Amino acid sequence: DGGITQSPKYLFRKEGQNVTLSCEQNLNHDAMYWYRQDPGQGLRLIYYSQIVNDFQKGDIAEGYSVSREKKESFPLTVTSAQKNPTAFYLCASSIALYYEQYFGPGTRLTVT
Amino acid sequence: KNEVEQSPQNLTAQEGEFITINCSYSVGISALHWLQQHPGGGIVSLFMLSSGKKKHGRLIATINIQEKHSSLHITASHPRDSAVYICAVANTGNQFYFGTGTSLTVIP
Repeated sequence: DGGITQSPKYLFRKEGQNVTLSCEQNLNHDAMYWYRQDPGQGLRLIYYSQIVNDFQKGDIAEGYSVSREKKESFPLTVTSAQKNPTAFYLCASSIALYYEQYFGPGTRLTVT
Repeated sequence: KNEVEQSPQNLTAQEGEFITINCSYSVGISALHWLQQHPGGGIVSLFMLSSGKKKHGRLIATINIQEKHSSLHITASHPRDSAVYICAVANTGNQFYFGTGTSLTVIP
């Protein structure tokens, strides 16, 4: 079955550690996105990638980094520079930039 | 000021009622999306539209480009429709804006 997967579902880290969230899709989509969601707030775009080996900062990229070495994969690293990393992180993909997006199940990151 | 405003923020309905959720936006758009987020957090894309009206089962989405307004209608609502409904717009500059969502609860 085609789809988009994120792992793990829940992630716990100590403050000061970098952590990498996985996002994989087998939909043959060119575009991929990372969003952050905080309680009571809308989704906010962290990074997006229109095509392999290319990515652009979204609205809240500070403290995050990404790579897009393969079409299927778009991992997000939450660095120790991110001041409030505890949040729900969602990955999505679409056939082209800002077409209908397919979302992964999300990773809930807690940093203490 | 938010580029995308949704109303109402919260909505409670009895099973079987007709439901309308509204979305107004302030930017020029290439497309508008309606998304559904269930309590577990997963998000499903319901509609992408740039003009007119689309229908899928009991869900209908309309958009008025001149008035910068879209509505999502649910006919014969059911408890399984309980979710957060999110309006999002892609503007002509390849930026994406999300509303904060409408939380719908349908009571049996």
